[in-house]
Amino acid sequence: SQQGEEDPQALSIQEGENATMNCSYKTSINNLQWYRQNSGRGLVHLILIRSNEREKHSGRLRVTLDTSKKSSSLLITASRAADTASYFCATEGNTGGFKTIFGAGTRLFVKA
Amino acid sequence: DADVTQTPRNRITKTGKRIMLECSQTKGHDRMYWYRQDPGLGLRLIYYSFDVKDINKGEISDGYSVSRQAQAKFSLSLESAIPNQTALYFCATSDHQGAAYNEQFFGPGTRLTVL
Repeated sequence: SQQGEEDPQALSIQEGENATMNCSYKTSINNLQWYRQNSGRGLVHLILIRSNEREKHSGRLRVTLDTSKKSSSLLITASRAADTASYFCATEGNTGGFKTIFGAGTRLFVKA
Repeated sequence: DADVTQTPRNRITKTGKRIMLECSQTKGHDRMYWYRQDPGLGLRLIYYSFDVKDINKGEISDGYSVSRQAQAKFSLSLESAIPNQTALYFCATSDHQGAAYNEQFFGPGTRLTVL
């Protein structure tokens, strides 16, 4: 079963626009991570936000976390064609053992 | 990520064949993972290992086995391949400590087709 569910499943925007992707999860977490995957390649870690953090920035990326709603959002500002990829959230549960679970991803297409 | 390599990159095999996928890493990480990715389903964990003598089942371990031959090597075997094991397989590593201990580093993937 998947813990994180991304929304939307696919997103198409023009270069220069902002892209927002959301992730919802079901159980308590230690942290939530966002990864990027270019077509057919391995995932690349983008950013990690801990359960006691509400917002985090990295370059053009802004991640928010609302533990009361069990949701997170990833905002990519001033998108570029090179941002075209799939974006996955991964949650690390806090119930013991290894509990990092990936969502199904959002496919982002940025048109030049 | 060149620090995590997978072989082969592509493999086509027939139902019933035994297949081994290999993963090597030069990052010095103690933790290694095997995932499979199917379209629309994201990544699902098959097996993971936190140390050379540690093997743990993931979400979908049936039909698979693993071997952690050394800290740097983690291989995945399909004992008798079946068509629904056709997927993209990823190996990943992570460190158990340090500022980035939760971050996983992925290999380039192995595309496996079972006919």
